[in-house]
Amino acid sequence: GAGVSQSPSNKVTEKGKDVELRCDPISGHTALYWYRQSLGQGLEFLIYFQGNSAPDKSGLPSDRFSAERTGGSVSTLTIQRTQQEDSAVYLCASSLQTAYNEQFFGPGTRLTVL
Amino acid sequence: AQTVTQSQPEMSVQEAETVTLSCTYDTSESDYYLFWYKQPPSRQMILVIRQEAYKQQNATENRFSVNFQKAAKSFSLKISDSQLGDAAMYFCAYRSAIGTASKLTFGTGTRLQVTL
Repeated sequence: GAGVSQSPSNKVTEKGKDVELRCDPISGHTALYWYRQSLGQGLEFLIYFQGNSAPDKSGLPSDRFSAERTGGSVSTLTIQRTQQEDSAVYLCASSLQTAYNEQFFGPGTRLTVL
Repeated sequence: AQTVTQSQPEMSVQEAETVTLSCTYDTSESDYYLFWYKQPPSRQMILVIRQEAYKQQNATENRFSVNFQKAAKSFSLKISDSQLGDAAMYFCAYRSAIGTASKLTFGTGTRLQVTL
């Protein structure tokens, strides 16, 4: 596709359930990022992939959060046993390898935990 | 760790006027990149302008320009001839130039209103 896509666009879940959020990066982009944007806040880094490996997981807030990337393309962010404080917009971005390159963002997934 | 501060939660500008959004950052690195991103209500983050720290010349992109003061660690965005479509959240972001593609560190954003 032309840009980064994310699914679902919106997700409502009950506290304690597991959720999976998907990111499909721009073809050829080796770097992939997940960020979280809580209401009225800036973006908070979660995890970075280079190819299928994750050299920086420092932003994952707890062990309930995990992510994987397969085939150097699609990535899935999984949140287990969701809590109300997990409610946020989860944004994915991709870029070419170097730090100079622009990160292109997807439209995000709005997660609401009831 | 690097931090980015945007001290203006909201700004307002009249159409066709000029507005400046402020951003300061803290880092011990000498080589890095600075960005301004725009986020309209659609949530889509759009790159507005980028500045390489090693360049003394301020970046410009059409109506958008920056005032980069490396010693003061300041990176403000000037929007000239403001248009209704400029209304959005604006985020300042920092990215290290060390190594390969690293994360962006964002400020908390400035909401820009454009009035008639």
